[in-house]
Amino acid sequence: EVQLVESGGGLVQPGGSLRLSCAASGFTFRIRWMTWVRQAPGKGLEWVANVNQDGSDRYYVDSVKGRFTISRDNAKNSVYLQMNSLRAEDTAVYYCARGWNSGLDSWGLGTLVTVSS
Amino acid sequence: DIVMTQSPLSLPVTPGEPASISCRSSQSLLHSNGNNYLDWYLQKPGQSPQLLISLGSNRASGVPDRFSGSGSGTDFTLKISRVEAEDVGVYYCMQVLRTPITFGQGTRLETK
Repeated sequence: EVQLVESGGGLVQPGGSLRLSCAASGFTFRIRWMTWVRQAPGKGLEWVANVNQDGSDRYYVDSVKGRFTISRDNAKNSVYLQMNSLRAEDTAVYYCARGWNSGLDSWGLGTLVTVSS
Repeated sequence: DIVMTQSPLSLPVTPGEPASISCRSSQSLLHSNGNNYLDWYLQKPGQSPQLLISLGSNRASGVPDRFSGSGSGTDFTLKISRVEAEDVGVYYCMQVLRTPITFGQGTRLETK
């Protein structure tokens, strides 16, 4: 069974940093693109970033470029999102999802990030 | 950026009746390889999103056959042949032709 489990969310002050992790199991992690999607409270879905199989290609939504970094460790079956210079508008549930352009076919339960003083 | 526009934004449906959601993109999602890079997702209340349809019309594993996707280029439709109570939630279309990947605003389906 495919499982994606996010962790690392929490309350952080504006300008602070957090590192989200997503532990994957139940499939061959190293051959799949991985994606982060977020959802602000009461709002719709927003794609944040994705990374290819070996971590050499990474893409970001403009609003996080230069502040967030997506990475992966295929030995640990994990994908990460390093978030720096956090802003109030980054407050959201962050979902880890498997895949990219043939469908995000598995999603985690999400981890809540709250940016507030 | 490719802008995705869904309609309607709210959809009350009597169980057993059909339902249809439209999604339009500001640019064609038809790739030269013949694929339309358009997916549909359902987010049930309190749950993570789940993939329903990929590449415009490919039903995801485990998705009931009452769900179907159609369309090409800039106009796409998700149809539910007979709505069931478990289908309530917010439906999103998403384009994956090019980054930034973008979602529609969402369509909230509720049963009457």
